[in-house]
Parts: sequence; C-alpha cells; structure tokens
Amino acid sequence: QVRLQESGPGLVKTSETLSLTCTVSGGSFTYYYWSWIRQTPGKGLEWIAYMHYSGTTNYNPSLKSRVTISLDTSKYQMSLNLTSVTAADTAVYYCARGGTSNFDPVDVWGQGTMVTVS
Amino acid sequence: QSALTQPASVSGSPGQSITISCTGTRSDVGGYAYVSWFQQHPGKAPKLLIYEVIKRPSGISNRFSGSKSGNTASLTISGLQAEDEADYYCSSYSTPMKYVIFGGGTMLTVL
Repeated sequence: QVRLQESGPGLVKTSETLSLTCTVSGGSFTYYYWSWIRQTPGKGLEWIAYMHYSGTTNYNPSLKSRVTISLDTSKYQMSLNLTSVTAADTAVYYCARGGTSNFDPVDVWGQGTMVTVS
Repeated sequence: QSALTQPASVSGSPGQSITISCTGTRSDVGGYAYVSWFQQHPGKAPKLLIYEVIKRPSGISNRFSGSKSGNTASLTISGLQAEDEADYYCSSYSTPMKYVIFGGGTMLTVL
C-alpha cells in the first residue's frame, strides 16, 4: 500500500523560501500525477501544483510565479519550493497522489505537515 | 478562480439522512463529470468518498452517495452515524486550473 510522508521545516521566515519533501513508499511514481495541496483555516483546501511522472507540470495560476515542483524518481521523492512566503502561506501542506489521468481524483494523501510563516 | 460553494455546516440526528451541496459553474461542476467528495476528521488527511460524481472507492460504505444537476453536485449520507461527524469537501476538475478546485468545506454535526 502506497504511503506518502511530508517533511520540512515547520517555521519559515517571511519573504524566504518554503521547501518541503514528500517521500513515497510502497508504490511507484510511474503513470501517476503527484500533487501538493495545502489547507488553511480561512481558505480550506487549495491545490498548489502537480507533476506527472513523465515530467509534465501544472501550477495553480494564483501561485504559479512562486512555485516549483520536482520529482526525484531514484529517491522516490517529490519536492516543493514556494518563494517569497508571507503569513498567508501558513498552512498544512499535503503531498498527494492522483490517478493516471489528470481527471482522476486525488486518492492517496500524506499525513500533512504544518508550516508557519512568521 | 473562486472555490466551489458549500454550506458552512449541516447537522442531523443518528439514522437520518443529510445532503451537502456543492455549487460551481459551467467551467467546473457543470462542465464535467469529475466531481469528488472527501471526508476529513480533525487532525487527519482528507479521505476520498466519491469520485466521478457517483462512484465509490473500494471500502466506502454505500451510505454515501453522490449526484449532480447542472452546476450543483450533492453528497447524501444516509443512516447517519456518530462517526460521520467530520468536515466534507467537494472538488471538481476545473477548466481554468486544468486540474482540481475544491469547495470551502462543510462541517457535519451528528446531534
């Protein structure tokens, strides 16, 4: 059974870069869409970006200028970089697996990691 | 793009049925048969309940059902149980996003 685990600093200073890693175990990167999704008390769930195992990426237009996502298939890891963070970026960040089509739902989630920007 | 619109809260008594609505536009809910519903208990990650409007993943109780009419999708939970008390989120494929957009979430209270 595939499992996802997010890791990274829980506190990031305003204007700096938020960097998170998601480690995948028990499954393969192949064929799937891999996403970062965040959850804030005020705005609920917000999809940030996805990367397909083929290398195709897609970003939420509202965050596109500040986000970079990457996959390291040799390490079974996915990474997120979010630059120039503000308090509005304080959230629980989830990595998640979609299906083999970009119409498929996200069906596997990590446990989430809380990131505070201050 | 704005989030899909859900009621902030709903409530029901054990054994009753409740319905949660999710309203979007022709660019998301109304334009695609790709609506999903998630259940989230406090401190936990969301769990997929419904996908492609009406389908249930393996292991999900048939007490959960989905439907859609026009720009509004609905989740119905029948035979409410205490364990159903949680937050519920809808999502839909979105043309502007070229991927998923979520609703604001609905808190279900089982009285």
